[in-house]
Amino acid sequence: EAGVAQSPRYKIIEKRQSVAFWCNPISGHATLYWYQQILGQGPKLLIQFQNNGVVDDSQLPKDRFSAERLKGVDSTLKIQPAKLEDSAVYLCASSYGRTDTQYFGPGTRLTVL
Amino acid sequence: AQSVTQLDSQVPVFEEAPVELRCNYSSSVSVYLFWYVQYPNQGLQLLLKYLSGSTLVESINGFEAEFNKSQTSFHLRKPSVHISDTAEYFCAVASGAGSYQLTFGKGTKLSVIP
Repeated sequence: EAGVAQSPRYKIIEKRQSVAFWCNPISGHATLYWYQQILGQGPKLLIQFQNNGVVDDSQLPKDRFSAERLKGVDSTLKIQPAKLEDSAVYLCASSYGRTDTQYFGPGTRLTVL
Repeated sequence: AQSVTQLDSQVPVFEEAPVELRCNYSSSVSVYLFWYVQYPNQGLQLLLKYLSGSTLVESINGFEAEFNKSQTSFHLRKPSVHISDTAEYFCAVASGAGSYQLTFGKGTKLSVIP
């Protein structure tokens, strides 16, 4: 069974630029999560989708971050414009349902200069 | 609101020695508890979880954790570590409110010394 795929694995941009990350969850998984992991900290949930609907985006900085899962499968997370403090690893996870084990992708390491 | 405290940011231990990684949580509702492991340059993997039933849960590679409600703890233990156990370990809590939204601790880096 293929795992959660993310791309790119690494991204370096300058502040005020835009960036987008892509996630392909495990086939059949209805629930998809995006986390932000700042160096030295544990992952922090940004947004949770159930199929193509948003369940919780209370910790998403909506003035600059956006995410979508239009067809209930792949998802993209965008930052526009990026700030220095956005430097982090962005993790995507998926689960079969909302109360099932989450499986994590390898993450995208973002560096904002 | 719920939170997780991992008291030790780094734990060095000699190979074949026992280890305990500490995790304390706070939550106002019933909880589910998890330990995830992150090997170098890899994604997070579920190590073990407590949902209900026996308070002692085990993983396939020899780790175990015990849910202690009175002490609000979920410490991770292994009686004899191996070099391959070198990784970062994250404790996480989810409330039992129909969703497993995870709140993670800051992680503990376990370094096994040969």
